[in-house]
Amino acid sequence: DIVMTQSPLSLSVTPGQPASISCKSSQSLLHSNGRTFLYWVLQKPGQTPQLLISEVSKRFAGVPDRFSGSGSGTDFTLKISRVETEDVGIYYCMQSIQVPRTFGQGTKVEI
Amino acid sequence: QVQLQESGPGLVKPSQTLSLTCTVSGGSITSGNYQWSWVRQPAGKALEWIGRIYTTGRTDSNPSLTSRLIISRDTSQNQFFLQLTSVTAADTAVYYCTRDAQRFDGTWDVFEQWGQGTLVTVSS
Repeated sequence: DIVMTQSPLSLSVTPGQPASISCKSSQSLLHSNGRTFLYWVLQKPGQTPQLLISEVSKRFAGVPDRFSGSGSGTDFTLKISRVETEDVGIYYCMQSIQVPRTFGQGTKVEI
Repeated sequence: QVQLQESGPGLVKPSQTLSLTCTVSGGSITSGNYQWSWVRQPAGKALEWIGRIYTTGRTDSNPSLTSRLIISRDTSQNQFFLQLTSVTAADTAVYYCTRDAQRFDGTWDVFEQWGQGTLVTVSS
């Protein structure tokens, strides 16, 4: 299985300030078709998870542009340019290049 | 707008079979560039992918569960199913059904739609 490792596991942020989460995979997520199958999912408190970012950097419909994803190969980053109170929750990175799909441990973001 | 809804028993006895249904409305499970998955989350723990069924009916599963897992569907009811045999307390979790969708540019939005989730407790 591909192991996804996130850091930090907990992050305390101030509204209006930037925040960054790292995700490293144990194998490259670059497919032979040129796509990289790395995703970011947010689970707000008491809510169903929601997709934020697809294939490293493509925001899902309706996701604010303060969220951005970057990286390549085995090293990826999710950035929030200016954190808002509604951004609290647990952020997971996930890979879908190989079965089984695997998630990181999650990063808890608190205000 | 597609909607997914999980249903099934909230309590299952150890060694028995956990059976869940995902009812899909607003979209067909047999057409389009979609894949349909099950994901679970034990309380306070990370998400775990269980398996998926394609629009063709082909399935994939997490190798850690394959020996106990069946994913199937009823196309007439637009439903897909999860059956997990010989359950233990470790299978206690919130179970979600989800959908992947492919954009026009080929991008895959994995887990772009989620059901509300259903809690299954394994206990005697």
